Amino acid sequence: NAGVMQNPRHLVRRRGQEARLRCSPMKGHSHVYWYRQLPEEGLKFMVYLQKENIIDESGMPKERFSAEFPKEGPSILRIQQVVRGDSAAYFCASSEGTGSNQPQHFGDGTRLSIL
Amino acid sequence: DAKTTQPPSMDCAEGRAANLPCNHSTISGNEYVYWYRQIHSQGPQYIIHGLKNNETNEMASLIITEDRKSSTLILPHATLRDTAVYYCISPSYNTDKLIFGTGTRLQVFP
Repeated sequence: NAGVMQNPRHLVRRRGQEARLRCSPMKGHSHVYWYRQLPEEGLKFMVYLQKENIIDESGMPKERFSAEFPKEGPSILRIQQVVRGDSAAYFCASSEGTGSNQPQHFGDGTRLSIL
Repeated sequence: DAKTTQPPSMDCAEGRAANLPCNHSTISGNEYVYWYRQIHSQGPQYIIHGLKNNETNEMASLIITEDRKSSTLILPHATLRDTAVYYCISPSYNTDKLIFGTGTRLQVFP
């Protein structure tokens, strides 16, 4: 029973390039969440998506960041024109349903390093 | 989200029970208490959650006080691999985002 799969595990980009992070939820899960963890800090919520819909993007930076969860395929977190401050661990979580009685299960993250 | 308060760090001897407390005095009647842990460089791992009754699974037990203002996560026989940061979280009923505080850094020693 595969868990949440994220790839790549490590991603290195130069300033100004684009970063694409992928997340495949657990089997049977249709709700995906992205969190960011800056060095020596706690996880911060970024965005919550269901298939083809963004439900809550209150934690997303206003510029350069976007997320999608298409009908087919993984969820993608896209960062355009990366800057040094984007260096962080990005975690994806998924849940079977919505509501406060639905635990989120996390992947092992993508560590993004900006040169 | 209900504000949760946890001690910043705890130690536990290997093989002994680790009891991690959490205060959530402003919790509402329909808000659950969740526990996650994060072992260094890994993603957060779901441990257990509960509403009113005590809960137990293969990883841990969750004891919630009758007034629901506090809870305790119990790892019955701690091992070195249980060394991690443990987060107590109580999401608001009408939200799906988890708000991670600073947690409790549990160090299990031989």
